[in-house]
Amino acid sequence: AQTVTQSQPEMSVQEAETVTLSCTYDTSESDYYLFWYKQPPSRQMILVIRQEAYKQQNATENRFSVNFQKAAKSFSLKISDSQLGDAAMYFCAYRSPLAQGGSEKLVFGKGTKLTVNP
Amino acid sequence: KAGVTQTPRYLIKTRGQQVTLSCSPISGHRSVSWYQQTPGQGLQFLFEYFSETQRNKGNFPGRFSGRQFSNSRSEMNVSTLELGDSALYLCASSLAGGIYEQYFGPGTRLTVT
Repeated sequence: AQTVTQSQPEMSVQEAETVTLSCTYDTSESDYYLFWYKQPPSRQMILVIRQEAYKQQNATENRFSVNFQKAAKSFSLKISDSQLGDAAMYFCAYRSPLAQGGSEKLVFGKGTKLTVNP
Repeated sequence: KAGVTQTPRYLIKTRGQQVTLSCSPISGHRSVSWYQQTPGQGLQFLFEYFSETQRNKGNFPGRFSGRQFSNSRSEMNVSTLELGDSALYLCASSLAGGIYEQYFGPGTRLTVT
């Protein structure tokens, strides 16, 4: 079974600075998908960024980028120019591809609470 | 396009009762997944429905069940409620397959007393 580990329960960053959230995972599959989700205090979970394991290029979405190291099974999230609105719980998640008997099931890490200081 | 909606948003039940939660996915989405979120266990997968069929099930007791209707709306039911069932129940829908993301609803906060 796949597992996802987020080793930083809490992180803080100054507004306008850069922060990196860590995520490692364990799987025997060669193809899979990885996601970072954000859950603000309002509780609505939203997707931040996604990565397909077969793509070597790291995904980027505006101020958010990932460092995907497949061999090390590492998938960290970098937030540049942090804003107050970035304060939230961040969850790293893993999904198997449907072709390999998977489903839409997401395996989540425990989350990292990010505080942004003005 | 309307997002994922969940009803009710808040619910208080007594131990031993049963409860039904509802989820309406985004129009056109055929996959609906349910998750339980608690401070201790985090986010745990309950089950996924696709085209009215349960495609995957998490490690929860048989008291937790669900179904999906032909319009893709889904319900989950918890029978014989226990205090430990108090949680935020999240529903997510997706187009299914590939790198499509799951869109989450606001959740139903269930409190069991």
